[in-house]
Amino acid sequence: DTGVSQDPRHKITKRGQNVTFRCDPISEHNRLYWYRQTLGQGPEFLTYFQNEAQLEKSRLLSDRFSAERPKGSFSTLEIQRTEQGDSAMYLCASEGGKTQYFGPGTRLLVL
Amino acid sequence: GQQVMQIPQYQHVQEGEDFTTYCNSSTTLSNIQWYKQRPGGHPVFLIQLVKSGEVKKQKRLTFQFGEAKKNSSLHITATQTTDVGTYFCAAGTSGTYKYIFGTGTRLKVLA
Repeated sequence: DTGVSQDPRHKITKRGQNVTFRCDPISEHNRLYWYRQTLGQGPEFLTYFQNEAQLEKSRLLSDRFSAERPKGSFSTLEIQRTEQGDSAMYLCASEGGKTQYFGPGTRLLVL
Repeated sequence: GQQVMQIPQYQHVQEGEDFTTYCNSSTTLSNIQWYKQRPGGHPVFLIQLVKSGEVKKQKRLTFQFGEAKKNSSLHITATQTTDVGTYFCAAGTSGTYKYIFGTGTRLKVLA
C-alpha cells in the first residue's frame, strides 16, 4: 500500500459523456502528478501540481482535459466529451523525497 | 520534443540468467529514475541516479548513469521469477519536475 488512493478504480462511459477522477496523495507530499498509460506503453505525463498550483501541462493534452488541486491536497482530473481514444489507465502519483508514489489508477473505458 | 527509448522491448530469460535493459535519451538529463511495474500493478520506484557515471546497487540489481548523462542501464544478476514485470526509466531534466517515462522493457523469467 503506497498511501496514494484513486477513485473510482474503474469507469465505463459512453462517448461524449464527461468523467471525473479523484486522487488523494500522501498527505505531506507537495507535488502531485497525473499520467495516462495505455497497454504496452510507459506512463505518459499529463500534468503536475506544486501544492495548489498547476505548474506544467502536456502540450499533447487537449482542451477537453482539465485538472485541479484546489486546496493543495486531493486532485481531480476531468475529461469532457470523452472519445474512444481516451480509453486508458489514468495514474496519479505524489512525490516525496524525489520519489514518486503511484496510486492504483483509474481504468477508463469509453464505449 | 524529448524522447526516451528503452531496449530491448521484451526479454525472456531462464531463471538464473542475467538481464540488462538500456535507456537512452535524446537530451542531457539532470537525473534518471527506474521503476518496476508488475502485471496488473502500478509503477513502483526503485532508484534515482543523479551524478555522471554514477553506479548504485540494490542486492542483485545494478544501476548505472552514463558519463554524458544521456543514458542509463539496469542489470539484474541471476534473475528470479519474482523479477517478472516491466522496467521503466523516467528521465528528469533541469528546470522542471516533470518526468518522461521510457518505453519500458518487459521481462519474463522462465522457471
